[in-house]
Amino acid sequence: DIQMTQSPSSLSASVGDRVAITCRASQSISTFLNWFQQKPGKAPKLLIYGASSLLSGVPSRFSGSGSGTDFTLTISSLQPEDFATYYCLQTHTTPWTFGQGTKVEVK
Amino acid sequence: QVQLQESGPGLVQPSGTLSLTCAVSGGSISTSNWWWSWVRQPPGKGLEWIGEIYYSGSTNYSPSLKSRVTMSADKSKNQFSLKLTSVTAADTAVYYCARRGQYFFDNVRYLPFDYWGQGTLVTVS
Repeated sequence: DIQMTQSPSSLSASVGDRVAITCRASQSISTFLNWFQQKPGKAPKLLIYGASSLLSGVPSRFSGSGSGTDFTLTISSLQPEDFATYYCLQTHTTPWTFGQGTKVEVK
Repeated sequence: QVQLQESGPGLVQPSGTLSLTCAVSGGSISTSNWWWSWVRQPPGKGLEWIGEIYYSGSTNYSPSLKSRVTMSADKSKNQFSLKLTSVTAADTAVYYCARRGQYFFDNVRYLPFDYWGQGTLVTVS
């Protein structure tokens, strides 16, 4: 199985901050990397697929980059509604595997 | 707009079988290039992919659960189902059904998890 390692596991930030979350794959997954946002009691919401393609309707303050084994989700200016847990997911090789999550909390 | 809705018992006895159904509206499960998945999340923990089914009947299962999982699809009812046998407390989780839809980006075909059900909590006790 491909292991996905996210860092940090949690972070504290303020509204307006630039936030970066990284995800590392245990082997190359090209650009088959997805990012999700999950709020308590809700299903995950797809933000980015193909490592850097923003899903229609997702605010442009979210961006993704990377290929191979190293990927980054960046929120350029954190908004109140962005406090949530973020997960990466590889869809290169089954079994599809998630990172362990990064909780973005209010500083 | 595709919508998914999970249903099934919220409580299952240890060693029993967990059975869930996902009803799909706003799109047909028989559409090519769409895969239908189950993902679970134990309370307070991360996400785990269980497996998926294609309208043709093809399936992919997580190796860690493969011996206990069966997925099926009912085209006439536009729904798909999950059965997980020999459950233990470790199978207690919120179970989500989800779709993998087809997208193209930079001439590459991607199938991300784009639509999700609201999730249903299944407790093994």
